Amino acid sequence: AQSVSQHNHHVILSEAASLELGCNYSYGGTVNLFWYVQYPGQHLQLLLKYFSGDPLVKGIKGFEAEFIKSKFSFNLRKPSVQWSDTAEYFCAVSNDYKLSFGAGTTVTVRA
Amino acid sequence: NAGVTQTPKFQVLKTGQSMTLQCAQDMNHNSMYWYRQDPGMGLRLIYYSASEGTTDKGEVPNGYNVSRLNKREFSLRLESAAPSQTSVYFCASSGYGDTQYFGPGTRLTVL
Repeated sequence: AQSVSQHNHHVILSEAASLELGCNYSYGGTVNLFWYVQYPGQHLQLLLKYFSGDPLVKGIKGFEAEFIKSKFSFNLRKPSVQWSDTAEYFCAVSNDYKLSFGAGTTVTVRA
Repeated sequence: NAGVTQTPKFQVLKTGQSMTLQCAQDMNHNSMYWYRQDPGMGLRLIYYSASEGTTDKGEVPNGYNVSRLNKREFSLRLESAAPSQTSVYFCASSGYGDTQYFGPGTRLTVL
């Protein structure tokens, strides 16, 4: 079975700081990779996804992620965060129909 | 397009009571899913339906049943609710192997 590990449980940043959230997965086959965001009180929304091609993927709201196959990693980055980026971020990996989620990282951005 | 809709938004049950969570999607997706979200555990798959007429167990199916009523609707039933089923429940849908889109969630408390 595949598993997804997110390195940080809670990250606290100041506005304009850079953000990097780690994600590693364990599965040897072909996978699709996702980052979802959940703003307070809302449902999950897709930030970005990687299926194939360029391993550097750009998503909405200035987020990007890099797929490093040799490290089984799919880290999320944003060069300069805003207060509105306060949310919970989930890495997910799919094979066939099913998504496996990491435990999530809560990001708090202080104004 | 409403996307994925869920009812109810909130529910409080007593131990042993039963209820059905409803989910509908208007994106003509083949696959539908039920997840539960618990603090520090990310989202865990309860059941999924790869296509109309099929359902399969996910990671945490015990205590739940599902019905894929038609292509649009996928319901989750708790026959005898237990406090351990207190959680936030999300429904999602997708095309085959594609991005999953999530509903707004149902917050369930079992006393």
